Amino acid sequence: GAVVSQHPSWVICKSGTSVKIECRSLDFQATTMFWYRQFPKQSLMLMATSNEGSKATYEQGVEKDKFLINHASLTLSTLTVTSAHPEDSSFYICSAREQGYSYEQYFGPGTRLTVT
Amino acid sequence: AQKVTQAQTEISVVEKEDVTLDCVYETRDTTYYLFWYKQPPSGELVFLIRRNSFDEQNEISGRYSWNFQKSTSSFNFTITASQVVDSAVYFCALSGSNFGNEKLTFGTGTRLTIIP
Repeated sequence: GAVVSQHPSWVICKSGTSVKIECRSLDFQATTMFWYRQFPKQSLMLMATSNEGSKATYEQGVEKDKFLINHASLTLSTLTVTSAHPEDSSFYICSAREQGYSYEQYFGPGTRLTVT
Repeated sequence: AQKVTQAQTEISVVEKEDVTLDCVYETRDTTYYLFWYKQPPSGELVFLIRRNSFDEQNEISGRYSWNFQKSTSSFNFTITASQVVDSAVYFCALSGSNFGNEKLTFGTGTRLTIIP
């Protein structure tokens, strides 16, 4: 089956620093990747959609300058949380859509970010 | 706009009882996909089912069954003879079926606790 990995699985950083989260499709090519954020005991909220080789499309209310998304290859997308603050602490989950398939998304295991 | 409603925030049942999780959706799309995901305490989303809006047949997979009723915009999920391992948060989700409209809209989730 299609596998998506995320790295790191958890990270603790100090307020004001930046942290990068990687999302990789291990055995398929992903034209599109999605980034979600999930606060404790809440649902998943889509942050942005990233297409390989083009700029990401951000959902309303998501600061593009704070959450930098790069989808440089068909197997890798990165989310960088810049100048992190404690309110950015959350569970970040990526998913990848296999090239040629419009409906199937495979989810990564998530990255738990804690900003102190 | 798409919307998914899971009215049951938390459900607790005794092991071996049957339990049904409700999901009601709203969409203006004529074709769409419906999903159910399980999120155990580890956080990783586990895909359970995808249903095309054209296919209204109910589906059974082991102890799991799904009832899709387009007339009431519902896609309910039943676990028969529940087990402790079924304890998790369950999300219903909806996506469009066309390229560029495949982002997932999640419900708020139902936390299911199976009491041994």
